[in-house]
Amino acid sequence: EAGVTQFPSHSVIEKGQTVTLRCDPISGHDNLYWYRRVMGKEIKFLLHFVKESKQDESGMPNNRFLAERTGGTYSTLKVQPAELEDSGVYFCASSQGGFYGYTFGSGTRLTVV
Amino acid sequence: DQQVKQNSPSLSVQEGRISILNCDYTNSMFDYFLWYKKYPAEGPTFLISISSIKDKNEDGRFTVFLNKSAKHLSLHIVPSQPGDSAVYFCAASEGGGADGLTFGKGTHLIIQP
Repeated sequence: EAGVTQFPSHSVIEKGQTVTLRCDPISGHDNLYWYRRVMGKEIKFLLHFVKESKQDESGMPNNRFLAERTGGTYSTLKVQPAELEDSGVYFCASSQGGFYGYTFGSGTRLTVV
Repeated sequence: DQQVKQNSPSLSVQEGRISILNCDYTNSMFDYFLWYKKYPAEGPTFLISISSIKDKNEDGRFTVFLNKSAKHLSLHIVPSQPGDSAVYFCAASEGGGADGLTFGKGTHLIIQP
């Protein structure tokens, strides 16, 4: 079984540019989550999809962040325009209905310069 | 306002001895608690969990203890092995684990030969 796949693994962009991160969950997992870890701090929840619907987006920092999950399969997280404080590692995770423990991807390390 | 706290940034333990990682929380609505293990450049990996209706859960070398009155949980690893060297995150959820998780900052466990 393929795990949760995220790409790119690294991205370096200039302040003001746009970046789109992609996550492919485990096949059949309806629940998809985005998290972010800023250097040395805790992993913070951003949002939760159930299939293509946003179940909870209370963790999204501001309206520069846009997450989509068209067709309930892969998801994208767009940051536009990027700011310096957006730097960090963005993790995606997926799970089956109920709780069986999330499976996390390896993350995308975003650096805004 | 940090709802999940791991007050020890790092912990060094000799191989074969017991490792005890601690976690405190402030939100009394949390009803599900989890431990994740993370290696560099990888996503967190689910290790073990416990529901608030229990006070102990065991899985092989790993045991999690929950003290609801003290709002404290701990992860015991015995015996500690070199492969256990990693960052351990404590996490909590209000929705039985299916909702977004609140993570602590992590404890870097170093197993010394």
